[in-house]
Amino acid sequence: NAGVTQTPKFQVLKTGQSMTLQCAQDMNHEYMSWYRQDPGMGLRLIHYSVGAGITDQGEVPNGYNVSRSTTEDFPLRLLSAAPSQTSVYFCASSYSSPNQPQHFGDGTRLSIL
Amino acid sequence: GENVEQHPSTLSVQEGDSAVIKCTYSDSASNYFPWYKQELGKRPQLIIDIRSNVGEKKDQRIAVTLNKTAKHFSLHITETQPEDSAVYFCAASTLAAGNKLTFGGGTRVLVKP
Repeated sequence: NAGVTQTPKFQVLKTGQSMTLQCAQDMNHEYMSWYRQDPGMGLRLIHYSVGAGITDQGEVPNGYNVSRSTTEDFPLRLLSAAPSQTSVYFCASSYSSPNQPQHFGDGTRLSIL
Repeated sequence: GENVEQHPSTLSVQEGDSAVIKCTYSDSASNYFPWYKQELGKRPQLIIDIRSNVGEKKDQRIAVTLNKTAKHFSLHITETQPEDSAVYFCAASTLAAGNKLTFGGGTRVLVKP
């Protein structure tokens, strides 16, 4: 099993650009989530999903969209990038409960200029 | 909402000594308390968790204790090794809040050989 796979690992955007961060898991986990981690801080929940077709907002959802068309994939879209969205983004999955992440991806380091 | 405070922010110990990190939480309904280890530039890893119906849990050299009355929980690492050097995050969640995790600010642990 590859676990949770995120792409890209690094990305630089200009303010106003849009992009999609990809996340895929091969463990057949129902629950997936996106977090952002700012320097010296813990993780903050952006959006989460309890299964295909079902998503909900987390603590800091503004400026981001998600969709869950399959169990495996949970992409995160930045609609119009802003410097405040410069962060490291982690995707996570769990088999036991929503928002109790057990497996994380390697992260996407995103810089917005 | 839930507030989680974590202390100390940095901890330096000699190899072989014990390390203790303490977290306090504000919501008495919190029922799930995980700990994550994050090495520099790496993904967070779930190392141990405890639920509110249990007072203590051990896994080899690590243990977590929970005091629901005082609303705090602690991570204990015994016989520390250089590979224990990392940032450790605690978190808490409640069913009422959709099980969304609130993270502490992290503790940077340095194990000196």
